[in-house]
Amino acid sequence: AQTVTQSQPEMSVQEAETVTLSCTYDTSENNYYLFWYKQPPSRQMILVIRQEAYKQQNATENRFSVNFQKAAKSFSLKISDSQLGDTAMYFCAFVQTSGSRLTFGEGTQLTVNP
Amino acid sequence: KAGVTQTPRYLIKTRGQQVTLSCSPISGHRSVSWYQQTPGQGLQFLFEYFSETQRNKGNFPGRFSGRQFSNSRSEMNVSTLELGDSALYLCASRGLNSYEQYFGPGTRLTVT
Repeated sequence: AQTVTQSQPEMSVQEAETVTLSCTYDTSENNYYLFWYKQPPSRQMILVIRQEAYKQQNATENRFSVNFQKAAKSFSLKISDSQLGDTAMYFCAFVQTSGSRLTFGEGTQLTVNP
Repeated sequence: KAGVTQTPRYLIKTRGQQVTLSCSPISGHRSVSWYQQTPGQGLQFLFEYFSETQRNKGNFPGRFSGRQFSNSRSEMNVSTLELGDSALYLCASRGLNSYEQYFGPGTRLTVT
């Protein structure tokens, strides 16, 4: 069974600064995808970024980028130039390519302060 | 393209009753998955439907069931409601040959 762990329940950052959220996972699979989802107070779950395990290059989406370390089973999210609208719960998630079940971490509540 | 829609958005039920939640996926998406989100257990997978067939099931009791129609719309049913079933129920859809799941706004179920 796969597990996903987010060891930071809460984090805060000043507007315009950079913050990194941590995620580790455990799997015996070699082919899988990793995601970061954002859930603002509206509770709508929004896909932020994805990473295919077979790709060595780290994914980037505008101000969001990941540091994917496959051997260490680590998948951190870096948010640059933080904005007030980035305030949300962030979930790291895993899915193996042979299935469709998303396994989520516990979440990190990020607060961006003005 | 319209996103995933879920109805109703909020629901209050009494213990012992049953409830049906509905999810319409993004147009063209044939896979629909359901998740339960609670403060204590986090996000847990309930089941996935693809082309009207249940393809995958999480570790939930038989009181939780679902189905999918030919237009890919899905319903989830919970019978004999318990207080612990109070949760946000999220559905997500994905396209063929894609692993990205797109979520609806959720249905907040409160059992009293």
